[in-house]
Amino acid sequence: QVHLLQSGPEVKKPGSSVKVSCKASGGVFNTYTISWVRLAPGQGLEWMGGIIPIFGRTNYAQKFQGRVTVTADESTSTAYMELSSLSSEDTAVYYCAKDNVPPSGGPTVALAYWGQGTLVTVSS
Amino acid sequence: IVMTQTPLSSPVTLGQPASISCRSSQSLVHSDGNTYLSWLQQRPGQPPRLLIYKISNRFSGVPDRFSGSGAGTDFTLKISTVEAEDVGVYYCMQATHFPHTFGQGTKLEIK
Repeated sequence: QVHLLQSGPEVKKPGSSVKVSCKASGGVFNTYTISWVRLAPGQGLEWMGGIIPIFGRTNYAQKFQGRVTVTADESTSTAYMELSSLSSEDTAVYYCAKDNVPPSGGPTVALAYWGQGTLVTVSS
Repeated sequence: IVMTQTPLSSPVTLGQPASISCRSSQSLVHSDGNTYLSWLQQRPGQPPRLLIYKISNRFSGVPDRFSGSGAGTDFTLKISTVEAEDVGVYYCMQATHFPHTFGQGTKLEIK
């Protein structure tokens, strides 16, 4: 069973950066995409970007391009999302989610498993 | 790709069926022939959970009262008989095109 454990809540000042981690256990880490999705108050889910660890290849939503960096450390099966130039509009719960083959087998499924979420609060 | 869900709120009586629709602004048929349309459930205080993938495939551990259907740009999630544990917000999501995008969410509540 795949399990994703995220780092704890953060409180940040406007203009600063935040880095959230996501440690995977169970299953294969480096050949499946890990994505970052956020849920802001009163908003819906928003995909920010993702990485395929074995290739280090990243893909970002245009909205976050230049402000978000997703990385992965294969040695510790941990993915990271760093968001810079924070504003109050970045206050949200940030989730990591991993593509994976279902337990029943078959092709890869997008966002099959999710971390518990990390609350990031941006406030002066 | 814009994903539009209806309704945004759905009060349902326990034991009765529920249905949520999702429409995409473009076809979700991938060049590989698959349609990467998923449904997720988010219970209060919980992370999202994958229910359905590729339109109609139930993910591991998902009860068979949940079913998905549709094609092209129009999709539906049905719950045959709503139970108390089904309360939450339901999202459709497309993974055919980058960036992945979600519907606005449908809040399922018990009458």
